[in-house]
Amino acid sequence: GAVVSQHPSRVICKSGTSVKIECRSLDFQATTMFWYRQFPKQSLMLMATSNEGSKATYEQGVEKDKFLINHASLTLSTLTVTSAHPEDSSFYICSAKAAGATYEQYFGPGTRLTVT
Amino acid sequence: AQSVTQPDIHITVSEGASLELRCNYSYGATPYLFWYVQSPGQGLQLLLKYFSGDTLVQGIKGFEAEFKRSQSSFNLRKPSVHWSDAAEYFCAVVFNDYKLSFGAGTTVTVRA
Repeated sequence: GAVVSQHPSRVICKSGTSVKIECRSLDFQATTMFWYRQFPKQSLMLMATSNEGSKATYEQGVEKDKFLINHASLTLSTLTVTSAHPEDSSFYICSAKAAGATYEQYFGPGTRLTVT
Repeated sequence: AQSVTQPDIHITVSEGASLELRCNYSYGATPYLFWYVQSPGQGLQLLLKYFSGDTLVQGIKGFEAEFKRSQSSFNLRKPSVHWSDAAEYFCAVVFNDYKLSFGAGTTVTVRA
């Protein structure tokens, strides 16, 4: 149980275009989902927290107009990287917290974004 | 200030040998503690967690961790390492909100 999927697993896009990454909780309802960014050989950096049906809360320094997060249902959150640039290339990982759970997060497999 | 530290950036261990990964935190109370493992290009898998109770916690894949309040530590151990244990290991902590704070990670290399 507690499986989180991400799609796509890998995407290459041209500079200036937008890319959408989906995060789904497959067998549980996730009231809260988190989006992380991970640079090579580095730890995970929390970008934003999204609660179903409400606006995402962004961490300091994260551009909310560049990284659009939508959490429209209890099983789906999306991250859209708008007007992507090469510096946005990174590994993006989502996680989900089950309804009623306190602290445990279940992580997706990640999405490798490369902007050319 | 609240922080979580993994002092070892890289550890190399022989297959069959024991492994210990260190994790220390700075916080005025007992946080919620986690260990995750990440294989290359993959997401994170939860190895074990500590919320309260018995300070020696058993996890998956033969791992265990011990919470020591006096040392503000939550070290991860495995008695006998397998080649498949080569990965990146992250200690993570929840302090006074629901957000996970990650250590910098420790890369484990297993030599034959």
